[in-house]
Amino acid sequence: SQQGEEDPQALSIQEGENATMNCSYKTSINNLQWYRQNSGRGLVHLILIRSNEREKHSGRLRVTLDTSKKSSSLLITASRAADTASYFCATDGYGGSQGNLIFGKGTKLSVKP
Amino acid sequence: NAGVTQTPKFQVLKTGQSMTLQCAQDMNHEYMSWYRQDPGMGLRLIHYSVGAGITDQGEVPNGYNVSRSTTEDFPLRLLSAAPSQTSVYFCASSSDVYNEQFFGPGTRLTVL
Repeated sequence: SQQGEEDPQALSIQEGENATMNCSYKTSINNLQWYRQNSGRGLVHLILIRSNEREKHSGRLRVTLDTSKKSSSLLITASRAADTASYFCATDGYGGSQGNLIFGKGTKLSVKP
Repeated sequence: NAGVTQTPKFQVLKTGQSMTLQCAQDMNHEYMSWYRQDPGMGLRLIHYSVGAGITDQGEVPNGYNVSRSTTEDFPLRLLSAAPSQTSVYFCASSSDVYNEQFFGPGTRLTVL
């Protein structure tokens, strides 16, 4: 079963607007990661946030983590058409046992020029 | 560095045929894994390996076999292909499961 679940499933915005995607998960984790997938391609790592961190920034990306609510959000500021892609959260699964990285179903982001 | 490579890019099989999807990495990563991606289902873990000679099952292992004889290679075998195995398969590697995963470009498999 899926550990992480992204919300919304799809998001359509205009260039220059901010995009926010959310991820909820079920069990305790060590880290939470966000990945991006362009259509027909493999996934590319964006950012990793550890369970003892609350917020992390990388360029136009801002990730927050709330372990009490078992949720994370990914904010892309000043979006561009090139940000059009699917975004996935991933958590190490099942109480932090080594060996499992579980992905959510993804949020499909469309940025219109 | 080539990173993670997968072959073939595309494959069409008939029901009952067997085949091996190849995955190789040149980053000396211990952790390697196989995922399948189906529309609306996200990525699901098939098998993973934490080092040469060590493999374990993921969420959807039935119908697939893996082995890890070297650090570099992690082939995925379909024993008797079924239409339900039509999917896009991704291989990934990393220094360990808690860190950034590097993905290959994927193999698109169709089983008729």
